[in-house]
Amino acid sequence: GDSVTQMEGPVTLSEEAFLTINCTYTATGYPSLFWYVQYPGEGLQLLLKATKADDKGSNKGFEATYRKETTSFHLEKGSVQVSDSAVYFCALMGGFQKLVFGTGTRLLVSP
Amino acid sequence: GAVVSQHPSRVICKSGTSVKIECRSLDFQATTMFWYRQFPKQSLMLMATSNEGSKATYEQGVEKDKFLINHASLTLSTLTVTSAHPEDSSFYICSARDRGSSYNEQFFGPGTRLTVL
Repeated sequence: GDSVTQMEGPVTLSEEAFLTINCTYTATGYPSLFWYVQYPGEGLQLLLKATKADDKGSNKGFEATYRKETTSFHLEKGSVQVSDSAVYFCALMGGFQKLVFGTGTRLLVSP
Repeated sequence: GAVVSQHPSRVICKSGTSVKIECRSLDFQATTMFWYRQFPKQSLMLMATSNEGSKATYEQGVEKDKFLINHASLTLSTLTVTSAHPEDSSFYICSARDRGSSYNEQFFGPGTRLTVL
């Protein structure tokens, strides 16, 4: 079945460092891909999405490009802030319109 | 953005009792709501999909008689964990799909931490 694999955390960075969180997927067909963010005590929020190959999703300085050839959707940000500390989930939505999540990656940004 | 609430945020109960968790869409109508379960350091696992006015569709391996789902209105779905046992302790998260949205985006609640003693 469909699955998502993302790097284990926590990822610990200093403020203004470059961020990459890797995400790869396995799916039949052409899924839509998502990154969700969960801040402490809050629900998951959609951060960005891409619905077809080579699409780039972007929001709040975060970017991810849908790479069909490598089945990847890595999350990047050029300069992280303390306020970016959260848990990030990569997910896909396949033909049955169900979300399949990765295990989540905790990001800790220190001043 | 659309807001989904869950109540309670955390609950502790004795083994053998039943616990009800509510999921509400506060500013939109949700024809479809989803219930997920999250174990520590693991991903969210879809338990069931509920559509307003009809029976829930459960994922393989989820006991429908243990996890009762009711979606009585366009803004409320409930999950009842019946005869709870310690192995049911987990983080339960609901999400809702906006009826008025052209895209199948799901909006998530903050989750409910269930601890069964």
